[in-house]
Amino acid sequence: AQSVTQPDIHITVSEGASLELRCNYSYGATPYLFWYVQSPGQGLQLLLKYFSGDTLVQGIKGFEAEFKRSQSSFNLRKPSVHWSDAAEYFCAVGGPNAGNMLTFGGGTRLMVKP
Amino acid sequence: DAGVIQSPRHEVTEMGQEVTLRCKPISGHDYLFWYRQTMMRGLELLIYFNNNVPIDDSGMPEDRFSAKMPNASFSTLKIQPSEPRDSAVYFCASMWRTGDATGELFFGEGSRLTVL
Repeated sequence: AQSVTQPDIHITVSEGASLELRCNYSYGATPYLFWYVQSPGQGLQLLLKYFSGDTLVQGIKGFEAEFKRSQSSFNLRKPSVHWSDAAEYFCAVGGPNAGNMLTFGGGTRLMVKP
Repeated sequence: DAGVIQSPRHEVTEMGQEVTLRCKPISGHDYLFWYRQTMMRGLELLIYFNNNVPIDDSGMPEDRFSAKMPNASFSTLKIQPSEPRDSAVYFCASMWRTGDATGELFFGEGSRLTVL
């Protein structure tokens, strides 16, 4: 069965600092990987996704993520965080062997210090 | 497109009352999902439909929960009778699997349910 682990429940960074949110997955074949962001009181919005090709994926709002098969990871990065990036971030895995199901990680709550 | 539309955004009810949550998926999407989000359990998949047919309801917590999709543009999630432990944010999401094999989900803004 597929699974996703986000080891960090909370992360605090200073505005302007770089950010990396960790995601490790378990999946029996080439996965489809997603990062979603949830602002307070809102639904989840897709930041980026990987399903094939270049392992470095660019997303919206200046985010990027890198698929590393050897490490079963799909970490999310941003070079300079803005106060508006404070939100909860969810990593998810799916794929051809998963039917039509995405499995979500537990989320990482990002706080940004001024 | 207006996106996935859920109603009500907020619902406060008393234990034992019936609650009905509504969802309008994005037009043309062939899959619809109901999720529940709580602090303790995170995001849980309750049930999903393909072309209006329920495919997997193994996540529905108990018989008090039921979901229907009478047509491609409307779904309901009903709780009867409601209990305080049902308090959560319920999300509806839709997907166009036929046209996008990656399975990207589009979420509504959620319905926050409080059962007193």
